[in-house]
Amino acid sequence: GESVGLHLPTLSVQEGDNSIINCAYSNSASDYFIWYKQESGKGPQFIIDIRSNMDKRQGQRVTVLLNKTVKHLSLQIAATQPGDSAVYFCAENKGTGRRALTFGSGTRLQVQP
Amino acid sequence: DADVTQTPRNRITKTGKRIMLECSQTKGHDRMYWYRQDPGLGLQLIYYSFDVKDINKGEISDGYSVSRQAQAKFSLSLESAIPNQTALYFCATSDLHHNEQFFGPGTRLTVL
Repeated sequence: GESVGLHLPTLSVQEGDNSIINCAYSNSASDYFIWYKQESGKGPQFIIDIRSNMDKRQGQRVTVLLNKTVKHLSLQIAATQPGDSAVYFCAENKGTGRRALTFGSGTRLQVQP
Repeated sequence: DADVTQTPRNRITKTGKRIMLECSQTKGHDRMYWYRQDPGLGLQLIYYSFDVKDINKGEISDGYSVSRQAQAKFSLSLESAIPNQTALYFCATSDLHHNEQFFGPGTRLTVL
């Protein structure tokens, strides 16, 4: 993921619009990626994951795209709702035998009514 | 996630004090993790444990120690707390075959 410790960027969207949150990862050997959502005062919650042998995976209102060529991951949220307002983190498994995730710095999504 | 609990939820302490944060899980997972989150920033891995006899340092282990007392319990200690350890601390768990981690509600620690 992106360097840990950077200040959070913010994405502001209108309710009903689609949101795209991006993440650049650093290790070409990473074989698994996860998106987490963290609401204020709560722990991160799993949204969707994708393995490196895929380039797209869809869930309910969410789609994750993986571009291994440029080491880029994106989360698309369709018809963004106020309840989607949160901080979103990407995390990567760096493909070593000891599987501890590395988290990106996160993006704050603000949904305007 | 109610299956992962952390105590205390909030703690204010003074510089130099020893502090222990506790994490318990009922998910039956082998793997447990401690993360630190500073205001407005991402998660940094402190320590992780893949089973009761296994302890590994994460990205920022200096000033911290851990104990895996049982499969269900993983505690984090600050031997001599300092103000820059003021942060939100999260415990997480995962099972042997999946990378998804389940997080506790967090402990807000303030070191004065």
